Amino acid sequence: KNQVEQSPQSLIILEGKNCTLQCNYTVSPFSNLRWYKQDTGRGPVSLTIMTFSENTKSNGRYTATLDADTKQSSLHITASQLSDSASYICVVSSKSNDYKLSFGAGTTVTVRA
Amino acid sequence: GAVVSQHPSRVICKSGTSVKIECRSLDFQATTMFWYRQFPKKSLMLMATSNEGSKATYEQGVEKDKFLINHASLTLSTLTVTSAHPEDSSFYICSAYLTSGRTYNEQFFGPGTRLTVL
Repeated sequence: KNQVEQSPQSLIILEGKNCTLQCNYTVSPFSNLRWYKQDTGRGPVSLTIMTFSENTKSNGRYTATLDADTKQSSLHITASQLSDSASYICVVSSKSNDYKLSFGAGTTVTVRA
Repeated sequence: GAVVSQHPSRVICKSGTSVKIECRSLDFQATTMFWYRQFPKKSLMLMATSNEGSKATYEQGVEKDKFLINHASLTLSTLTVTSAHPEDSSFYICSAYLTSGRTYNEQFFGPGTRLTVL
């Protein structure tokens, strides 16, 4: 069973609207959680990274939250743009081996004009 | 900073040939690099961990004689797909591990290489 579960699998939103993506994980002991944006045919690009003590972090119109107690994270996209259309991947690393990453399956976001 | 490049970005080859993919960390040195494979609409799957100056560590189910990895310098790792077959067609992504002087260690990903075997 995957240690990182993302929902929804995909979503379509209108340009200018907001959306929130969810990530639940079971990785333990927890080190940090990252959100990546992956455009089609490209490698993942880091959006945010949060450690145990951080519960929110922003990068422009992207805001990530982390609840280490419930092992949940969310990524909120504000005022979506067409260029936000991509796959968003939640990635968690463990303290016991922080370079072995656990990847979620990703949420595919499509922004329509 | 922390830029990783891959070359080529796209390659089409005939079945039975070998293909080499390069991964370079452009502005930092990386003792450790990683090779991933990604199928359509799936997430990245780690294939192997590449260590400078030593043998690569392969994940379970990945044939080391099929996917040859060489990490000859602190900025370059290569993946050679030997005797490629159509089932090897995939998107290959490398990453470089940046550890020095940071609060947390992080992998920086390359742009990927699309391999199509005919």
